[in-house]
Amino acid sequence: ETGVTQSPTHLIKTRGQQVTLRCSSQSGHNTVSWYQQALGQGPQFIFQYYREEENGRGNFPPRFSGLQFPNYSSELNVNALELDDSALYLCASRYGGPTGELFFGEGSRLTVL
Amino acid sequence: SQKIEQNSEALNIQEGKTATLTCNYTNYSPAYLQWYRQDPGRGPVFLLLIRENEKEKRKERLKVTFDTTLKQSLFHITASQPADSATYLCALRAGNNRKLIWGLGTSLAVNP
Repeated sequence: ETGVTQSPTHLIKTRGQQVTLRCSSQSGHNTVSWYQQALGQGPQFIFQYYREEENGRGNFPPRFSGLQFPNYSSELNVNALELDDSALYLCASRYGGPTGELFFGEGSRLTVL
Repeated sequence: SQKIEQNSEALNIQEGKTATLTCNYTNYSPAYLQWYRQDPGRGPVFLLLIRENEKEKRKERLKVTFDTTLKQSLFHITASQPADSATYLCALRAGNNRKLIWGLGTSLAVNP
């Protein structure tokens, strides 16, 4: 148990729809990052939030957006879904400095039809 | 271009043997490198971190080495067990970059 929970665990959407994925971080962790993992691939960094501010972003278009709340929980929003957005979306939290280990949730499996 | 490479082929070994997984990188000067384990359909679990000024790190049956000249990290599992079967991912952070760069992972199967 990592103390990081994600919801929903599975969902199916159609092209063009919007989706919101949620993450509850481990207690005391003020940094959360989101990753996209396609089947057979390593995780791809989407973005990171530190104390409610985005402070790092990977090569993802603006239709991928996020929020971090005062209790350090967070959301990933994806607009105008495309077929290639089908993947496992992972949330990871950590505390403090850049060398901290990441604690991952079990992920949200998104299928876009 | 910058990239990380891990053994693309699955590794099959006999229980009790030592498994050795490789992580090679190019065009980075990593501040540190991490190894994670991932089981099917689940999130990665942190195993070990090794910094650029460290040659070797151990934790129970696990050992990681880091050779910045060869641009390579080796991950060893001694006295392997079937429960060690999983995909192992390496990830590195280069300098002050806030993102981790991940390899594709190597699938390990330990046969009883």
